[in-house]
Amino acid sequence: EVQLVESGGGLVQPGGSLRLSCAASGFTFSDYDMHWVRQATGKGLEWVSAIGTAGGTYYPGSVKGRFTISRENAKNSLYLQMNSLRAGDTAVYYCARVHRAHDSSGYYYDYFDYWGQGTLVTVSS
Amino acid sequence: DIQMTQSPSSLSASVGDRVTITCRASQSISSHLNWYQQKPGKAPKFLIYAASSLQSGVPTRFSGSGSGTDFTLTISSLQPEDFATYYCQQSYSTPLTFGPGTKVDIK
Repeated sequence: EVQLVESGGGLVQPGGSLRLSCAASGFTFSDYDMHWVRQATGKGLEWVSAIGTAGGTYYPGSVKGRFTISRENAKNSLYLQMNSLRAGDTAVYYCARVHRAHDSSGYYYDYFDYWGQGTLVTVSS
Repeated sequence: DIQMTQSPSSLSASVGDRVTITCRASQSISSHLNWYQQKPGKAPKFLIYAASSLQSGVPTRFSGSGSGTDFTLTISSLQPEDFATYYCQQSYSTPLTFGPGTKVDIK
């Protein structure tokens, strides 16, 4: 059974740092791209970062330069280092696995097939 | 960045109703469109990928259609467990973006 379990959330002051972890099990972690997605209370979903199987990383402009995604395949773990945190970063942070489906024409389609339960990050003084 | 919009933002429906949710992209995303269902306090659950391909185990009352910029999610006969918020998401290019969600509640 695929499981993703986030940890590391909590209360942090503006300008502070926090490191989130996501423990993966039930699949070959190194074979999958992994992402972080966040959701502020009562709001929609926002993509935060991605890391490919080869280690390439991607970020939206809202967190680029402040957040760093990384992975440790030997430990089946995904991380998100968050620096210079702002009130607007307050949210539940989910880690998510990407599945890549191929069609008969050779095109591929990526989607988030498994999500963790989320960990709450609160940025407040 | 590709902007995703959804309509309506919320709707009230009864068990057995046919429900249609629309998602629009600000530019063509071919068929790189996914749908998720989220219930309060829970993580999103994946439903449909490539605009119309149903995830294994998802009830067949759910269906998706569209390509380019306009997409729909249809629930053919709404069941009690379907009351939730539905999000579309484009996987055509980074930054990946989600629609703002459509909340389906009980009339």
